[in-house]
Formats: sequence, structure tokens, C-alpha cells
Amino acid sequence: QLQLKESGPGLVRPSETLTLTCTISGGSLSNNYWSWIRQPAGKGLEWLGRVAPGGIIIYNPSLASRLTVSLDTSQKRFTLRLNSVTAADTAVYYCARQIYATPFDSWGQGTRVTVSS
Amino acid sequence: EIVLTQSPDFQSVTPKGKVTITCRASQSVGTSLHWYQQKPGQSPKLLIKFASQSISGVPSRFSGRGSGTDFTLTINGLEAEDAAMYYCHQSASLLTFGGGTKVEIK
Repeated sequence: QLQLKESGPGLVRPSETLTLTCTISGGSLSNNYWSWIRQPAGKGLEWLGRVAPGGIIIYNPSLASRLTVSLDTSQKRFTLRLNSVTAADTAVYYCARQIYATPFDSWGQGTRVTVSS
Repeated sequence: EIVLTQSPDFQSVTPKGKVTITCRASQSVGTSLHWYQQKPGQSPKLLIKFASQSISGVPSRFSGRGSGTDFTLTINGLEAEDAAMYYCHQSASLLTFGGGTKVEIK
């Protein structure tokens, strides 16, 4: 049974870099796409970026200039780095899995991030 | 970017009633349209994939239909546990979600 677990700082100061890690267990990394998705409190879901098999990475164009996602296959970790954060980046951040171009069938529990001084 | 517009934003229905949620795409997504349910404090849960395909373990009262730009999610025989937010999502081009529909039990 695939399990995803997000971790990271709960609080980040404005203008700093947010780094989150998704630890993948109970499943294979191959043939899967790994995405970050976020959800501000009381609002909808926003897809952020994805790593595909072979290392192909795509980003939400609205965040591409600030966002880096990467996959460490040896450690089975998926990482998000978002720089120059503002209060607008306050949200619950989820990692999720797709099997190729299928829907997200596995999600982490989410980790709450607050951007505040 | 493909924009998904859901309607209504909110729907209040009596138990055993019927819920219909619409998702309209700004351009064709074929059948690469999926539906999720999200309850407070929980991660989204996949309900329907590729417009109309059922998901193992999801009650049969949930169904979907549509193709191209117009899609619907229907809940027949609403139960108290169905109170939640519902989101559509397209995987045809980049990835986007609809704004969500809140379903409340009267």
C-alpha cells in the first residue's frame, strides 16, 4: 500500500525559501508521476508541479519562476522548493501520485505552511 | 491553461435526494476529467476517473458522464456522509482543478 507523507517547517518568514519533503513508502517510484498540490484555507486546490518518469518536470506557469521540484529515487523522497514566499503561499501542501496520465489516486495527509514574520 | 468552471458553488439537498454538479472546461479535455470528494481536514479522495469510470470502493450512487468540455457528477440517493466539497480535475493538458462545489445535507 503506497503511503505518502509530507514534512517541513510549519512557519516560514516572508521572502524566504520554503522546502517541503514527501517521503514515499510501500510502493515503486517507477511508472509514477509525483506532484505537489496546495490548498489555502477555505479555498480550492492548486496544482504546483510534477516529476514524471525519466525526470521530466513540468510546473504551473504561475509559479514556475519560483518553484523547483525534484525526485530522489535512492531516498524515495520528492521535494518542493518555493522561493521568495509571501502570505499568499500560506496553505496546506499535499504530495500526490498519478500512474502516468491518470488521476491522483494517492495523496499524502498534507502539511500546513504559514508564511508570516 | 485549461480552466475548469464548476457549478453550482453550493448545493443543499435532503437525504436520499439527487445532486448534480457540472464542470465545464475552457477547451476540450476528451474524457481526461476526474472527480474528487474532500471532507474537512482530509485529503481529496478520487470518486470517478476519465469522466465516467467507477473507482473500486466508491458507492454506486456516485456517477459521472460527459466528454469534450461538459461533464457532470451525479449523486443519487444522497447520504449524510456525502456532505463534502467536490472538485473536478483535468489531466489532458498540464493539470488544473475546478473551483469546487460544497454539498450540504438539509
